[in-house]
Amino acid sequence: GESVGLHLPTLSVQEGDNSIINCAYSNSASDYFIWYKQESGKGPQFIIDIRSNMDKRQGQRVTVLLNKTVKHLSLQIAATQPGDSAVYFCAENRAVAQGGSEKLVFGKGTKLTVNP
Amino acid sequence: NAGVTQTPKFQVLKTGQSMTLQCAQDMNHEYMSWYRQDPGMGLRLIHYSVGAGITDQGEVPNGYNVSRSTTEDFPLRLLSAAPSQTSVYFCASSGQYNSPLHFGNGTRLTVT
Repeated sequence: GESVGLHLPTLSVQEGDNSIINCAYSNSASDYFIWYKQESGKGPQFIIDIRSNMDKRQGQRVTVLLNKTVKHLSLQIAATQPGDSAVYFCAENRAVAQGGSEKLVFGKGTKLTVNP
Repeated sequence: NAGVTQTPKFQVLKTGQSMTLQCAQDMNHEYMSWYRQDPGMGLRLIHYSVGAGITDQGEVPNGYNVSRSTTEDFPLRLLSAAPSQTSVYFCASSGQYNSPLHFGNGTRLTVT
């Protein structure tokens, strides 16, 4: 079946470096994508989202890039800090039009480790 | 706002026991969902609701029931717990179309 997946299960970076976490999705009908951060023992926390009519969106230290041609999503974290260590999930919205985000489909996650 | 509140945080059940996982949100969100999270499997959708009185099945609904009698509450019921239901359960809610899901901090359930 269709799925949202990540290319790498783990990523290790040095503090201060930039991090890039990748995600592949397969449903071309999905029109909304979200990145979540999950720390140990907590629920997923919203980081940034992007709609399918955009190809780039920037937040504070984070940028999401969407390439609909190859169905690829990436999260870039600038000047990675130890507090960024967590598992990162991408998610796509397959809800019908006019619905909410109640049917998000998640990738399996990438564990980011930031070394001091 | 408290956001999405889940209780209990931890629960141990014996096979065959029943229980209800509670979920409440104070953001007046129409859309609510239950996910389970297992190692290496990401989050999988169990049931969801698009408003009070309306529920539907997600990817892995077997063994679980839900109801949505109010906008605020969306309890998840396990009628006869099985070891395969050992997992971390997350409740989430969202507002209008294409807005992010907000998650609770989860219930860690162990079935022995």
